Amino acid sequence: GAVVSQHPSWVICKSGTSVKIECRSLDFQATTMFWYRQFPKQSLMLMATSNEGSKATYEQGVEKDKFLINHASLTLSTLTVTSAHPEDSSFYICSATGSGYEQYFGPGTRLTVT
Amino acid sequence: EDQVTQSPEALRLQEGESSSLNCSYTVSGLRGLFWYRQDPGKGPEFLFTLYSAGEEKEKERLKATLTKKESFLHITAPKPEDSATYLCAVHSYSKAAGNKLTFGGGTRVLVKP
Repeated sequence: GAVVSQHPSWVICKSGTSVKIECRSLDFQATTMFWYRQFPKQSLMLMATSNEGSKATYEQGVEKDKFLINHASLTLSTLTVTSAHPEDSSFYICSATGSGYEQYFGPGTRLTVT
Repeated sequence: EDQVTQSPEALRLQEGESSSLNCSYTVSGLRGLFWYRQDPGKGPEFLFTLYSAGEEKEKERLKATLTKKESFLHITAPKPEDSATYLCAVHSYSKAAGNKLTFGGGTRVLVKP
């Protein structure tokens, strides 16, 4: 149980284009979903928290107009990186919580902006 | 501000050589402490949740313990497949920030055969 999937697992895009990453909870309803980014050999940094049907809460320093988060249902959240630039290249990971506080993580999406 | 510090940053072990990883924390409104395992290029895999000082949890060769200021992850007789980065995170709650996980920097463990 508690499986979270992400799609795509990796993506390469050109500078200036937008990329959408999907995060799905496969076998439970996710009351809250989280988006993290991780640079090589570093720990996870929380970008934003989203609850189904509500606006996402962004961490300090994260541009909400650049990283658009939509949590349209209890099993799906999307992160759109708008007007991507090479410095946005990173490993993006989502997580979800159900009825408890444990966060279950997706496998991550590696974004490379050329 | 919640802070989580893990030590050491990296650990090289011989197969069978037991060791412990440390996670020290300062947090207000602690709701739980979590241990995760992360393999390269993958998302973290949930291992344990600890809620109160004195609590212990075990899974195969791993045992997690919790005090009021720190948690330890003991690896007993490790095998090469235990090589991974182990992440500690504290769950806190505040009216302002809601539910939040704060991660430590992780400990990279390499077990050599």
